[in-house]
Amino acid sequence: AQSVTQLDSHVSVSEGTPVLLRCNYSSSYSPSLFWYVQHPNKGLQLLLKYTSAATLVKGINGFEAEFKKSETSFHLTKPSAHMSDAAEYFCVEGGATNKLIFGTGTLLAVQP
Amino acid sequence: SQTIHQWPATLVQPVGSPLSLECTVEGTSNPNLYWYRQAAGRGLQLLFYSVGIGQISSEVPQNLSASRPQDRQFILSSKKLLLSDSGFYLCAWSAIWTDTDTQYFGPGTRLTVL
Repeated sequence: AQSVTQLDSHVSVSEGTPVLLRCNYSSSYSPSLFWYVQHPNKGLQLLLKYTSAATLVKGINGFEAEFKKSETSFHLTKPSAHMSDAAEYFCVEGGATNKLIFGTGTLLAVQP
Repeated sequence: SQTIHQWPATLVQPVGSPLSLECTVEGTSNPNLYWYRQAAGRGLQLLFYSVGIGQISSEVPQNLSASRPQDRQFILSSKKLLLSDSGFYLCAWSAIWTDTDTQYFGPGTRLTVL
């Protein structure tokens, strides 16, 4: 069965330092992969999507993710964290019949 | 552009009372529609999805039901709420012609059952 593993449940960074949120997927074929962000008591907002057109995907708010098939990874990065980036981040894989497979989420804290 | 609305934003209900949550989508036609629940400290669980009016697929057995009376309206209901129904309910939509696997989420409804 398909699964998505987010390796860190919590990540804490200082404002202005780089962000790395790690994600591994399980599909043996080239999947659709997404990163969503959820601020407290809000819905999920799409940050970016990988669809095999390019391995480095740029998203909103300065985030980007790199698809590495050899490592089955799709890590999310940002060069410089902002206080407003504090939220929960979900790595998601597209499954059969438009169903999504969610990771368990990574809570990002940004310290001043 | 497309927008998705959910209401109410928050709801506190007693055990045994009925429930009706509404989701509407604007700016697109014939969307696929989804209901998810996010319980505290847990991930998102797909509850129902719909590919058209009156067509509902249930993903997990539960105390809830869903209906799609109009193309862009999706309703989540219960006849008698349980404590375990508490959670954050999210509606989502996806297109059926292009970019079909990308889901766009609404703002959510926080349900507390006491």
